[in-house]
Amino acid sequence: NAGVTQTPKFQVLKTGQSMTLQCAQDMNHNSMYWYRQDPGMGLRLIYYSASEGTTDKGEVPNGYNVSRLNKREFSLRLESAAPSQTSVYFCASSEAGENEQFFGPGTRLTVL
Amino acid sequence: KNQVEQSPQSLIILEGKNCTLQCNYTVSPFSNLRWYKQDTGRGPVSLTIMTFSENTKSNGRYTATLDADTKQSSLHITASQLSDSASYICVVSPWKLHSGGYNKLIFGAGTRLAVHP
Repeated sequence: NAGVTQTPKFQVLKTGQSMTLQCAQDMNHNSMYWYRQDPGMGLRLIYYSASEGTTDKGEVPNGYNVSRLNKREFSLRLESAAPSQTSVYFCASSEAGENEQFFGPGTRLTVL
Repeated sequence: KNQVEQSPQSLIILEGKNCTLQCNYTVSPFSNLRWYKQDTGRGPVSLTIMTFSENTKSNGRYTATLDADTKQSSLHITASQLSDSASYICVVSPWKLHSGGYNKLIFGAGTRLAVHP
């Protein structure tokens, strides 16, 4: 079992460029999440998907969109990247919304 | 506002020594409190989880304590090893009135621990 996988591991973008961060889990979990981690701050929730076919905004959704492609995959898209989106992005999954979350290895994104 | 504050921000100890990390929270009521370990360049991994009614929970050399009256938790690491070098994150889950749906997690900023030989 690979757990939660994320691609790419690193990415550098120019302001205004777009990209999609990919996340997949092989634990048959219903719920999936996208977080960002910035220096000196706790992880903040961007979007989550309680179950296949549903997505909801978290604490900091502006500038992002998500797609729950199927039960395994949950992608995060930046349509027009801004320097303020420079961060480390983590995907996580859980059996249900109330259960322990398992995190992927993260994607380090730099927007110039 | 629901907050989780951790101290110290960073800590350096010698291999073999013990240390204690602190977590103060204002989340009330809460459902559970978790401690995660995050190695550099990796995602957080769960160490312990305690419900509001538990006082202590151990995982090997890691022991978490919880005082719900003072809204404080601590993580004690015994006989530290080089592999304990990581960030330790305290996470509080607010109490939900109804079951089901997403249970928001409130993350502390973490304590960065460095264990030196």
